[in-house]
Amino acid sequence: DQQVKQNSPSLSVQEGRISILNCDYTNSMFDYFLWYKKYPAEGPTFLISISSIKDKNEDGRFTVFLNKSAKHLSLHIVPSQPGDSAVYFCAAYSGAGSYQLTFGKGTKLSVIP
Amino acid sequence: DAGVIQSPRHEVTEMGQEVTLRCKPISGHNSLFWYRQTMMRGLELLIYFNNNVPIDDSGMPEDRFSAKMPNASFSTLKIQPSEPRDSAVYFCASSLGVARVANYGYTFGSGTRLTVV
Repeated sequence: DQQVKQNSPSLSVQEGRISILNCDYTNSMFDYFLWYKKYPAEGPTFLISISSIKDKNEDGRFTVFLNKSAKHLSLHIVPSQPGDSAVYFCAAYSGAGSYQLTFGKGTKLSVIP
Repeated sequence: DAGVIQSPRHEVTEMGQEVTLRCKPISGHNSLFWYRQTMMRGLELLIYFNNNVPIDDSGMPEDRFSAKMPNASFSTLKIQPSEPRDSAVYFCASSLGVARVANYGYTFGSGTRLTVV
């Protein structure tokens, strides 16, 4: 049973346009959500996170939106750049002493110059 | 800071052989995680340690898999005997404290690509 789902395996976007990556979750106990970026032959690297008490967090070109009632979050990249081409993983975290991150399967973003 | 260091980067072995993957976490980090990435299952947690003690190994596929953390700067993941279905990329990650995981996640190594033929 997948608790974190990224239903789009891939996404192609023109350079300069907005990229929107989506993630759904099923576990109401998750209280933090994170996005990771992964280039080929490298490990995932942390990109941005959001607490469940917020609905938006912004860091430069990256903004994460959280809709708790829908159990849905999205990552917006504006404007998209060719260097953003990578696999993006959504991850969820439940506190209370658990250090575990539960990951989605990832979405491969291709930004076309 | 050299980051999380994993070795080897690539491993090709024959079915039935023992495989040992190694990880050096970031100095000062007190939690260490082993993940496996496959096309079918994505990134799945195998086991994690806190202060060198295994906390949750429920993700370890079967008895052929074992992990140890003899000290704060070294961990191993062993597969004995290896099977073709174990072929995957194995990641090690480390973190410092609960608050940091929530806001900054883990720091991952570059992974070991294991191929069992």
